[in-house]
Amino acid sequence: IAGITQAPTSQILAAGRRMTLRCTQDMRHNAMYWYRQDLGLGLRLIHYSNTAGTTGKGEVPDGYSVSRANTDDFPLTLASAVPSQTSVYFCASSDPTSGGDYNEQFFGPGTRLTVL
Amino acid sequence: GQNIDQPTEMTATEGAIVQINCTYQTSGFNGLFWYQQHAGEAPTFLSYNVLDGLEEKGRFSSFLSRSKGYSYLLLKELQMKDSASYLCAVMDSNYQLIWGAGTKLIIKP
Repeated sequence: IAGITQAPTSQILAAGRRMTLRCTQDMRHNAMYWYRQDLGLGLRLIHYSNTAGTTGKGEVPDGYSVSRANTDDFPLTLASAVPSQTSVYFCASSDPTSGGDYNEQFFGPGTRLTVL
Repeated sequence: GQNIDQPTEMTATEGAIVQINCTYQTSGFNGLFWYQQHAGEAPTFLSYNVLDGLEEKGRFSSFLSRSKGYSYLLLKELQMKDSASYLCAVMDSNYQLIWGAGTKLIIKP
């Protein structure tokens, strides 16, 4: 694989069900992020991880949890899905330690989630 | 609070020039990014500004004025493939990106 992959591509989920969105990167980036994108709103940060073993809360963390057991994987879990979590979810990564001029984020293709 | 403002939608003609504006109010500033997002796809990086002035990359240029909290993305010689949403994002004092809602650019022949 090259870059960032996400799975599934899309999912329809019944309210109350548990769901894990998967994200894997092969760029050895230290930092990873989960965003949701809703029509008319900017990308909103759910959770982030600056390095393996650490995570932090973003702007809209409620109802979501993450883990970062290793550098490559950053799964996002919805413990009990609700209709307001219907959205497109993007995983991203960056390498703040690269020494470059800027901290560009690279995005996965997204997961379109519908909660009914 | 933190806020990024950009127009919701713009229309331009193939071959023409268009300027997409972005104004911001954030807690701290560690650079401003422009991303392009085609419908149904992921955002992709276009440009980065951290100092005042103009950065040029081929047909695309980005300008920043930190004192005015203002940036613009200039697209020249528009092509149909430039039809997309353009997202402005500011890196705040915590090195997190704050995103605008995006400007949908429609290119007409």
